[in-house]
Amino acid sequence: DAKTTQPPSMDCAEGRAANLPCNHSTISGNEYVYWYRQIHSQGPQYIIHGLKNNETNEMASLIITEDRKSSTLILPHATLRDTAVYYCIAVEGNSGYALNFGKGTSLLVTP
Amino acid sequence: GAVVSQHPSWVICKSGTSVKIECRSLDFQATTMFWYRQFPKQSLMLMATSNEGSKATYEQGVEKDKFLINHASLTLSTLTVTSAHPEDSSFYICSARDAGGPPNSPLHFGNGTRLTVT
Repeated sequence: DAKTTQPPSMDCAEGRAANLPCNHSTISGNEYVYWYRQIHSQGPQYIIHGLKNNETNEMASLIITEDRKSSTLILPHATLRDTAVYYCIAVEGNSGYALNFGKGTSLLVTP
Repeated sequence: GAVVSQHPSWVICKSGTSVKIECRSLDFQATTMFWYRQFPKQSLMLMATSNEGSKATYEQGVEKDKFLINHASLTLSTLTVTSAHPEDSSFYICSARDAGGPPNSPLHFGNGTRLTVT
């Protein structure tokens, strides 16, 4: 799995967009970028994933740079309930893959 | 969406006893499930991969005789912590992927089991 680097913590005001960066400069061509978040004392929640195209769903948008060496998760209108640890994981998307979690980014959404 | 149910959500047991944790995929089948452990203020650590109908594979440093895994059906995997000790107190989380989905389908996680060994 490609190593990912995320800032340890970020703050965001409620109602604003939260932009969470992730660096994965050694990502290989068949590795996807997955984003998960973990709210305190719960299991991780899947957010979004992508290979090279930008992706959007009801939770967030994922912007992947053209060279695929970095990506940004965007929560368009952060709420207090978005306070969580966000994990960016680069892994080959085959049917047997497990996810290896790093330290993630602790996002604090403030009123 | 895909739901993974984990039971119990918390358990307290005495040192030396065994505890079983169940992980069920509610609306999909999973040939493979994964068990993680998380200590306070740390990230999730993969313990083992549970394979339906065959033996589990364990990560380095995880004792297979202590953490017994059984994947008896396509919707159920169990983790039994045998002869539990206080250092086994942790947050245990399972995950599974829809076997009928594409290879890059996301893993879905249960809500975890908080084990406290006294």
